[in-house]
Amino acid sequence: QVHLVQSGAEVKKPGSSVRVSCRTSGGAFGTYPISWVRQAPGQGLEWMAWIIPTLGIPTYAQKFQGRITVSADKSTSTTYMELNSLTSDDTAVFYCAGMVNRDFEFWGQGTPVTVSS
Amino acid sequence: QSALTQSPTASGSPGQSVTLSCTGTSSDVGAYNYVSWYQQHPGKAPKLIIYEVNKRPSGVPDRFSGSKSGTTASLTVSGLQAEDEADYYCSSYAGSNNFVFGTGTKVTVL
Repeated sequence: QVHLVQSGAEVKKPGSSVRVSCRTSGGAFGTYPISWVRQAPGQGLEWMAWIIPTLGIPTYAQKFQGRITVSADKSTSTTYMELNSLTSDDTAVFYCAGMVNRDFEFWGQGTPVTVSS
Repeated sequence: QSALTQSPTASGSPGQSVTLSCTGTSSDVGAYNYVSWYQQHPGKAPKLIIYEVNKRPSGVPDRFSGSKSGTTASLTVSGLQAEDEADYYCSSYAGSNNFVFGTGTKVTVL
C-alpha cells in the first residue's frame, strides 16, 4: 500500500516562498507520476503540476508557470513543490497525489499554507 | 484551462439515487476517456471513486457508477447512504500532461 506523507503546516508572509515535501512509502518511488493539487478555503480542487520522478521532468499548469517549481529526490523518495511570490490568494491546503492511468489514486494528508502579513 | 462545470449542489433521501454531471469541452472530457471522480469529506483528502469514466477502484461500492456522453461525464450514486454526504469532484485529462478538475458538487442526504 502506497502512502504519501507531506510536511507540516506553514505560515508565510506575502512575497515569500513556500516549499512543501511529499515522501512516498510502501511503493516503488518513481514508477508513477506525482501531482500537486491545491484547495483554497471553501473552494474546489485545482491541479498545479505533475512530475515523473524517474525522469525528473515536470509539467506545470499555465496559471502557475514561472512561479512554481516541482522536483524529485530519488534518494529519499521525496517530491517537492515550491511556490514563489506568495499572496493571500495562495492560502490553501496543498496536496500531493500519486497518479495511475491519469487519475489521482493516492493522496497525501494535505499541507495547510497560510499567507498573511 | 477552465474548470469543468458541475452543479453546486445535489440532494436525495436515503435509498434514492442521485446523478451528478461534469461538463467540459472537446479538449478534455470530450477528447479522452480519462475522467475520474473523487469524494471528499470535510477536512479530509479526496478519495478516488471512479477512474477512466466508469471503472471502480477496489473497495468502492458498486453503488457508484460513471458514464460519459460527448463532453459531459456523469456520476450516479444509487441507494444513497448517510455516509455519501460529501463533496464530489470530477477530473479529466486535458492533453499535453495537463489535468483539470470540476467545480465540485456538494451532495446532501436528506
